[in-house]
Amino acid sequence: DTGVSQDPRHKITKRGQNVTFRCDPISEHNRLYWYRQTLGQGPEFLTYFQNEAQLEKSRLLSDRFSAERPKGSFSTLEIQRTEQGDSAMYLCASSLTGLDTQYFGPGTRLTVL
Amino acid sequence: AQKVTQAQTEISVVEKEDVTLDCVYETRDTTYYLFWYKQPPSGELVFLIRRNSFDEQNEISGRYSWNFQKSTSSFNFTITASQVVDSAVYFCALSEVSNTGNQFYFGTGTSLTVIP
Repeated sequence: DTGVSQDPRHKITKRGQNVTFRCDPISEHNRLYWYRQTLGQGPEFLTYFQNEAQLEKSRLLSDRFSAERPKGSFSTLEIQRTEQGDSAMYLCASSLTGLDTQYFGPGTRLTVL
Repeated sequence: AQKVTQAQTEISVVEKEDVTLDCVYETRDTTYYLFWYKQPPSGELVFLIRRNSFDEQNEISGRYSWNFQKSTSSFNFTITASQVVDSAVYFCALSEVSNTGNQFYFGTGTSLTVIP
């Protein structure tokens, strides 16, 4: 098992551009979570999927953010019209079920210039 | 209100000293889970331990030990004989169980520096 992987690891973009991140969970994990972490803070929940269904979204997830998990395996997180305030580490985690431990990927660090 | 409070922002200890990282949580649920994660400079969160609300037994794993006390809503983490490799940010997290599963609430983390 290779663990949770995320791509890219780093992304630098200009304000107003769209960006997309990918997360590959641990195989057979039904739950997939997205978090955002800013400097000096703990991860903040954004959204999660049970297989392909997006079950919950945080208030932090503005209309510019969209996430998908089309086949219940990998997931993508897209940010449209990026703003400087979007600069953060975006973390993905997966768990076997909703009650199990979440295992995290290495994150994608986004810098918006 | 913060559901998980880690009052210690930064701690520095000299190698081989013992260090305790504090975690206080807040929940109205009777069923919940508590976690500790380690985030080394590389950035990846590493799972350390998970406890459920019905199991207050303290746990020891090598140099690591955890003290769970429901009476004070605390889940403290002690590293014995600290090593330089223990330098990292440590996060305590709370998971409340709802009808649709669980959501994690993280504390703000404690940055531990072990000085050789």
